[in-house]
Amino acid sequence: SQKIEQNSEALNIQEGKTATLTCNYTNYSPAYLQWYRQDPGRGPVFLLLIRENEKEKRKERLKVTFDTTLKQSLFHITASQPADSATYLCAPLSGTYKYIFGTGTRLKVLA
Amino acid sequence: NAGVTQTPKFRVLKTGQSMTLLCAQDMNHEYMYWYRQDPGMGLRLIHYSVGEGTTAKGEVPDGYNVSRLKKQNFLLGLESAAPSQTSVYFCASRDGRLTYEQYFGPGTRLTVT
Repeated sequence: SQKIEQNSEALNIQEGKTATLTCNYTNYSPAYLQWYRQDPGRGPVFLLLIRENEKEKRKERLKVTFDTTLKQSLFHITASQPADSATYLCAPLSGTYKYIFGTGTRLKVLA
Repeated sequence: NAGVTQTPKFRVLKTGQSMTLLCAQDMNHEYMYWYRQDPGMGLRLIHYSVGEGTTAKGEVPDGYNVSRLKKQNFLLGLESAAPSQTSVYFCASRDGRLTYEQYFGPGTRLTVT
């Protein structure tokens, strides 16, 4: 079955450093992969989408890579700030309509 | 623009009771989704709809029914609630044409005792 793996352990980093989160998927080949941010008690918020023919996508301090050979996406936040503390969800597209979400990685940026 | 709204925000049910969760979106989106989120399980798709009058099963549809009678509304029903349905439920919508971005509602926290 299709499976998404994100590091379930929380990631703590110092303010100003680059945070790198990993998303691995197995048993399928998504054409698109999205990253969402979720704050406690709130719904996820879309951050970035990357297509299978794109190696890298950037948006302000965010960068996403997509390696279809390794079946992995990396999500980077540069110059991290305490306001970046949240849970980040990876969601590869399955077929045309459906997404499979990872369990998310909780990021805490320490001041 | 309210985006995606969910009603109610919280609810406590007894086992065997029924209820309907309402999701409404004002963005004229074609696609709508219902997810549940449990600790350590991530978001799991219950049902989805790709247009008014259409619905389809997701990953965990058992015990739930849905209806999409109007484009802007997507209802999730629990006919006979069970403690295993204690969860946070999120609705989401998506344009369905050129974009893949999902917009999520604030969630409904449901407890079944």
